[in-house]
Amino acid sequence: AQKVTQAQTEISVVEKEDVTLDCVYETRDTTYYLFWYKQPPSGELVFLIRRNSFDEQNEISGRYSWNFQKSTSSFNFTITASQVVDSAVYFCALSEPLGQNFVFGPGTRLSVLP
Amino acid sequence: GAVVSQHPSRVICKSGTSVKIECRSLDFQATTMFWYRQFPKKSLMLMATSNEGSKATYEQGVEKDKFLINHASLTLSTLTVTSAHPEDSSFYICSASWGLAGGVADTQYFGPGTRLTVL
Repeated sequence: AQKVTQAQTEISVVEKEDVTLDCVYETRDTTYYLFWYKQPPSGELVFLIRRNSFDEQNEISGRYSWNFQKSTSSFNFTITASQVVDSAVYFCALSEPLGQNFVFGPGTRLSVLP
Repeated sequence: GAVVSQHPSRVICKSGTSVKIECRSLDFQATTMFWYRQFPKKSLMLMATSNEGSKATYEQGVEKDKFLINHASLTLSTLTVTSAHPEDSSFYICSASWGLAGGVADTQYFGPGTRLTVL
């Protein structure tokens, strides 16, 4: 069965600090997809990134970066120079190749303090 | 692109009534739509997956007769909570994705959610 673990339930940082959100997954599939979503207080989930299991290149998008390591089944997310607007719940998710069994992690609540 | 809307955003109803929630993909055709339920400070729980023109596939433990899902077109899916009770109060979120030939995994784009309160 597929499973996603986000060990950090809540994190608080001060603005401009860097913060890394951990995501560890379990799957028996050799092909799979990993996602990160952001859920601000308004409730709407915002898609951040999708990564397939064959692409282990790290990705950077502005202040966001992702570190995918198959060897440790991790897909961590780093926010550089955090801002108050980054405050949200962040979900890591995993799916099978055809989008089946889309599983969300429990989420990490990030609070960025001014 | 990839905008999904939900209506209503918030609904309060009396126990025993039925409530319909609409999910629309505004700028793409969604071959698959998903319905989730989210309890306060919890993760999303998948309720069902629906493909246009076919019956929805419900997750284990989700009552089909309680949560009626209709995916009538490539841009619209509805969730009807029948005979709602206070324990059905929750945040309901839909998502939509489109398929590509060859079976590439689809990114799910989420609606803004509907907060249901049953009195």
